[in-house]
Amino acid sequence: NAGVTQTPKFQVLKTGQSMTLQCAQDMNHNSMYWYRQDPGMGLRLIYYSASEGTTDKGEVPNGYNVSRLNKREFSLRLESAAPSQTSVYFCASSLARQVPYEQYFGPGTRLTVT
Amino acid sequence: LAKTTQPISMDSYEGQEVNITCSHNNIATNDYITWYQQFPSQGPRFIIQGYKTKVTNEVASLFIPADRKSSTLSLPRVSLSDTAVYYCLVGTNTDKLIFGTGTRLQVFP
Repeated sequence: NAGVTQTPKFQVLKTGQSMTLQCAQDMNHNSMYWYRQDPGMGLRLIYYSASEGTTDKGEVPNGYNVSRLNKREFSLRLESAAPSQTSVYFCASSLARQVPYEQYFGPGTRLTVT
Repeated sequence: LAKTTQPISMDSYEGQEVNITCSHNNIATNDYITWYQQFPSQGPRFIIQGYKTKVTNEVASLFIPADRKSSTLSLPRVSLSDTAVYYCLVGTNTDKLIFGTGTRLQVFP
């Protein structure tokens, strides 16, 4: 039982390049989330998927797209990377969207855009 | 959305009990109070959650007064490994929870 896995762990991009961050969970959770965390700050929600087949914007969705590929996988795409997107990206999942169900977080992807 | 206020940082020594208080004056009737812990270079980890009164698990206790406008996370006998950032979150749906900057706890030997 690996929990939530993310790939890659580290990535360096040049401005304007694109990339996809991958996330998978093996806990049969319905809801999945993508957050970003800037240095010294808390996590901010980028997008979430309450259930398979649905996605919704979070607090900071601009510059990102997501795909809920199936129940296990939720990817985050940067179409044209910008230095402002330099951050640590965390994927999380929970059994359901409602709060009594805790979130499980992945180890994060550290992205640098030059 | 229920806004939370918690201390930016706290210091403690090994073996002491640490209490971190979170203020949430506009908590809604259906909101739960959830605490997460985050170590450097790791994702947050769930610690404890409650709705009212007191909740205890193997790592912490959560005290919630009757008016629910604040809550206190209690860590008994902290060790160096408890050095982390602790987030207090209040809400009903996970996508509406706000992590904020948390409380940075430093435990000294």
